[in-house]
Amino acid sequence: KAGVTQTPRYLIKTRGQQVTLSCSPISGHRSVSWYQQTPGQGLQFLFEYFSETQRNKGNFPGRFSGRQFSNSRSEMNVSTLELGDSALYLCASSLVLAGVGTDTQYFGPGTRLTVL
Amino acid sequence: SQQGEEDPQALSIQEGENATMNCSYKTSINNLQWYRQNSGRGLVHLILIRSNEREKHSGRLRVTLDTSKKSSSLLITASRAADTASYFCATDALKDDKIIFGKGTRLHILP
Repeated sequence: KAGVTQTPRYLIKTRGQQVTLSCSPISGHRSVSWYQQTPGQGLQFLFEYFSETQRNKGNFPGRFSGRQFSNSRSEMNVSTLELGDSALYLCASSLVLAGVGTDTQYFGPGTRLTVL
Repeated sequence: SQQGEEDPQALSIQEGENATMNCSYKTSINNLQWYRQNSGRGLVHLILIRSNEREKHSGRLRVTLDTSKKSSSLLITASRAADTASYFCATDALKDDKIIFGKGTRLHILP
């Protein structure tokens, strides 16, 4: 069974631009969560999607948005990029909602975003 | 703010020794999980312990949970060079089911 895949793996953008990151979950998994990882703030939860609906959201500005498609693939978008958005963006998939029961999240390798 | 806080932030030990990392959290939880991350890569799930469990083992890993103290520990026995990584605890908060990660412990195994 293929693992969680994320594209692209590396991305360089300039301030003010927007970016779209993609995540394909493990086959059969219906939940996709997104995290931002930086040296200063660590791993921070962005949002979780389940059955095409956002079920949970972290404390990030509205510039960060996401969506999930009927095949469970998910995209996250960051508009008007700022230098502080430089980070490793990780997505994780699970069978059911990540916070339910004892389901495990499986992480992708991440997308390294650099904002210049 | 972070729910989980790992301690220590960094740890260097000799190969073969045991490594212990601690995690403290603030609110009531459904469960607590430990993950490993190798240098800038994705996280690998190690072990999950439910709020009604006190101890769990998986190979060389031993996890304890003390809900009265809101803390957990991860013990890696007979450490190996391949154990060099960052280790994170993640809590599933009872109130909102959000998964919150701590800032991690960087473990370095010396040859």
